[in-house]
Amino acid sequence: GAGVSQSPRYKVAKRGQDVALRCDPISGHVSLFWYQQALGQGPEFLTYFQNEAQLDKSGLPSDRFFAERPEGSVSTLKIQRTQQEDSAVYLCASSRGAWGPEAFFGQGTRLTVV
Amino acid sequence: GIQVEQSPPDLILQEGANSTLRCNFSDSVNNLQWFHQNPWGQLINLFYIPSGTKQNGRLSATTVATERYSLLYISSSQTTDSGVYFCAVEARGQETSGSRLTFGEGTQLTVNP
Repeated sequence: GAGVSQSPRYKVAKRGQDVALRCDPISGHVSLFWYQQALGQGPEFLTYFQNEAQLDKSGLPSDRFFAERPEGSVSTLKIQRTQQEDSAVYLCASSRGAWGPEAFFGQGTRLTVV
Repeated sequence: GIQVEQSPPDLILQEGANSTLRCNFSDSVNNLQWFHQNPWGQLINLFYIPSGTKQNGRLSATTVATERYSLLYISSSQTTDSGVYFCAVEARGQETSGSRLTFGEGTQLTVNP
């Protein structure tokens, strides 16, 4: 596609509910990243894929967070048993090569846990 | 890990004014990007500038990697320039994380008509 696409744009979940957030990167981009952005803060790294391989998941805040990219294209970030502190904007980014050079971001998914 | 500091945190301008935003980083970097986050939350790429100077219309940026800082210049500001400006860096030595970015806290720019 022309840009990175994320869905849904907005998600309201009841505490304890599982959610799945989707990211469609730019076609052909090797690298895919997930970031979390709390209100008033800069985005923070969650996890990194190179094609279908998840090479770094050091930023995932707990084992309730799980990400996959099974065919090296679309990625899904899943949050199990959501909690209020999970409320944030989740941003997906992709870049052409294994090491950049430049990352392009989607519009984000705003998750609100009530 | 690498630290990224942006200043000022907030900036209010009258339309037509010029401004300079600063980004300091604590270690060597492979990559540096400036982004504008619009009111809808979209991060718009402004510059990919690990070193040197680039210009794009009313915006320009300079990165002095040896001194670990970057500057974003906005000239003749317009109300549509309002939003948050982020600097983000890719630290050297983290190649296993691809081109993972560490962001600063941002500069909130408000341009009044």
